[in-house]
This record gives sequence, structure tokens and C-alpha cells, in this order.
Amino acid sequence: KNEVEQSPQNLTAQEGEFITINCSYSVGISALHWLQQHPGGGIVSLFMLSSGKKKHGRLIATINIQEKHSSLHITASHPRDSAVYICAVRDYQLIWGAGTKLIIKP
Amino acid sequence: KAGVTQTPRYLIKTRGQQVTLSCSPISGHRSVSWYQQTPGQGLQFLFEYFSETQRNKGNFPGRFSGRQFSNSRSEMNVSTLELGDSALYLCASSSIRDRGKNYGYTFGSGTRLTVV
Repeated sequence: KNEVEQSPQNLTAQEGEFITINCSYSVGISALHWLQQHPGGGIVSLFMLSSGKKKHGRLIATINIQEKHSSLHITASHPRDSAVYICAVRDYQLIWGAGTKLIIKP
Repeated sequence: KAGVTQTPRYLIKTRGQQVTLSCSPISGHRSVSWYQQTPGQGLQFLFEYFSETQRNKGNFPGRFSGRQFSNSRSEMNVSTLELGDSALYLCASSSIRDRGKNYGYTFGSGTRLTVV
């Protein structure tokens, strides 16, 4: 069993829909990261969480430490949100999830 | 401020050769970490350097090595290249101060290495 599990693996939605990507982990962590990777490889760090909830524009990330679960939400999704979203947890190193490939259709 | 700079962006090498990749962190960032991304294995941690010292190392063979200089720039070296080393190699820099903000790491664009 992978230490970091993301779901779904692939997600296709229409522009404007509310998007939720989930991340569950099985190890003790000091922080959880959500990152975005566009085609071509560049990775952008979206959030770093150790508790509660963070919001940046249309993106919201939550974490439940007791349940070892985090969610990334995108409100009013847009085609430019199409990317791979990766959850990574930090123990002494970053342990990566497999990513969720999101496609937003206009 | 300038982002994390990785050079070269693309590289083609033949089996058995060695390669050196470079990463210049954001000014003031003293921590640099390296990751390998392949379609089959996803993203995997290679190593992390802080103030010229390797702090952590992932499960990679000894052919993979790295170092960090006094200006925080880091290099990673892969010797005796194998076909399976073909991957996107990403580096990320971070600073203790930045971890208090809404992000922890800043990633470079990566070096895409192809071994033929």
C-alpha cells in the first residue's frame, strides 16, 4: 500500500464545476503539500498545510490530521486549471502521491 | 525575485556516460532538494542539502550523488548512466522563513534527461 494515496487518478469536468481532489496518507507527517504540475513539467507549490484550512483565490485546501486526510477544492473551475495536482507529505523527506490529472472542458 | 534555475533544460546522453545537473536556488534559500520523475515511478526523492551538508537521501544507488556549494547552488551527478535513468529531474529550494507562508518549496522547471 502506498504511503500517500490520491483520488481520483483522473478527473474530467465542465468549466464552472466545483472540483475536489482527495489525499490520504499513512505516515506521521510534519506538513502536507499540494502542488500543481502543468504539461512540460514545471511544478508550482500551491499550499503547505499542517492543520486546518487554507485558501488562495479559487483554491481551498483542508487537512484533518486525526483522519490523515486532505482535500484540495477548486471553485468555479476553468480550463486553465487543467493540470496534474499532486499531494506530498513531509516526514524527513517529501513522499509523493501519484497525482490527479484534471481536465476542465470549456 | 528570480526563481529556481535548473540547467540544462534538456540533455541526451548515452549509456555508460555520466551527467551533471545544476540547480541555483532562490537567493537566500539554503535548502535544496532533488527529485526524479518518471512515468512509471512518479516523483521520488533523491537527496536534500542544507548549508553544504546532505541532510537526507532517498533510496537511489550510489551512482546518484550530489553536492552543495557555499552559495547554495547544488549539483547532482549520475555516473554510468542506464536507460532507466531517463527522467525529469526537479530541484526545489526552500527556506525556513518561507515555510511559515502559504508555500514551502519553489521548484525549478526541471532537466529532462534522455539516455539512449
